[in-house]
Amino acid sequence: KAGVTQTPRYLIKTRGQQVTLSCSPISGHRSVSWYQQTPGQGLQFLFEYFSETQRNKGNFPGRFSGRQFSNSRSEMNVSTLELGDSALYLCASSLARTSGGAGYEQFFGPGTRLTVL
Amino acid sequence: DQQVKQNSPSLSVQEGRISILNCDYTNSMFDYFLWYKKYPAEGPTFLISISSIKDKNEDGRFTVFLNKSAKHLSLHIVPSQPGDSAVYFCAASGLYRGSTLGRLYFGRGTQLTVWP
Repeated sequence: KAGVTQTPRYLIKTRGQQVTLSCSPISGHRSVSWYQQTPGQGLQFLFEYFSETQRNKGNFPGRFSGRQFSNSRSEMNVSTLELGDSALYLCASSLARTSGGAGYEQFFGPGTRLTVL
Repeated sequence: DQQVKQNSPSLSVQEGRISILNCDYTNSMFDYFLWYKKYPAEGPTFLISISSIKDKNEDGRFTVFLNKSAKHLSLHIVPSQPGDSAVYFCAASGLYRGSTLGRLYFGRGTQLTVWP
């Protein structure tokens, strides 16, 4: 079974530009979450989508947005890029939530390394 | 507000010995805990998990212990191998559908280095 794929793997943008990152979850997974990883900050939660609906959102400004399509693929968009947006952006997918532990495991893609100049 | 804390940013252990990585959490509503391992230039990989109804879960060389009263969990790796050198993230979630606890909360990670 193919894993989570993210495109592009690397991206260089300049301040003020916008960027769109793409994520294809594992087949059958309906939940997609996005994280930002920067040195010393660990994984900062951006948002989570399930069945095309945003279910949770982290503490990021409105410049960060996302969406999920009917095939569970997801995109995230960052508008008006700032230098501080340089980071590794990780996408993770999981099965629909269950009432117990199984299904909470998230499977991560390799990430998109965004550099803002 | 960091609800999951890994207070040791790094740990260095000799090959063959035990590695113990620690994690503390503040929210008593968390009831499912996970450990992830991350190599550079790769996404985190799920390692092992534990539900709050248990206090121990074992998978090969990896064992996770949960102390609910202390809101503390630990990951033991025995014996440690050089290939275990990576960043280890602790994560937690709750079961409450539709609540913010339904997402995973991650610690900032601990860099484990296993030397020969």
